Amino acid sequence: EVQLLESGGGLVQPGGSLRLSCAASGFSFSTYAMSWVRQAPGKGLEWVSGMSGSDMYRYYADSVKGRFTISRDNSKNTLYLQMNSLRAADTAVYYCAKEQWQMTSVTTLEYWGQGTLVTVSS
Amino acid sequence: DIQMTQSPSSVSASVGDSVTITCQASQDITNYLNWYQQKPGKAPKLLIYEASNLETGVPSRFSGSGSGTDFTFTISSLQPEDIATYYCQQYDNVPITFGQGTRLEIK
Repeated sequence: EVQLLESGGGLVQPGGSLRLSCAASGFSFSTYAMSWVRQAPGKGLEWVSGMSGSDMYRYYADSVKGRFTISRDNSKNTLYLQMNSLRAADTAVYYCAKEQWQMTSVTTLEYWGQGTLVTVSS
Repeated sequence: DIQMTQSPSSVSASVGDSVTITCQASQDITNYLNWYQQKPGKAPKLLIYEASNLETGVPSRFSGSGSGTDFTFTISSLQPEDIATYYCQQYDNVPITFGQGTRLEIK
């Protein structure tokens, strides 16, 4: 059974940093691209970042480029999102999600974690 | 970025009704289109991939169609458990982008 468990969310001041983690199990983690998707309170879904299983590519939304860094440790089956220079507009539930097919780019998000809430406020 | 426009933004229907949601892309995305269901307080769930393929385990009352720029998502016989917000998502280009969502309510 595929499981994705996010952690690391919390309250942070504007300009601060936070690192999210997503612990994966139940599949061959290193062969799947993974993404982060966020959802501001009462709003829709916004894809934030994605990366391939082998770290051949990393993609970012313009809204976070230069401030967020996606990474993964395939030996620990864990995906990360380092978030710096946080703004109030980054307040959201952050989901990690697994691609549907092996060895593909960012396309279809087949499994999602339960999400972790990030609140940026003074 | 490719813009995805869903309509309507909300819909109310009775149990047993057929419900249709449309999604329009700002450019040709062939059939690189997925549909997700999100129930309140829960993570999104993949229902339809590649415009018309039903994800394993998803009831057959859900269906999708379309290609190019215009797509349709249909629930053929609405059930109470279908109360949710539905999103389309394109993956022709990165960044992948979502429609704004359609909130489905039961009359």
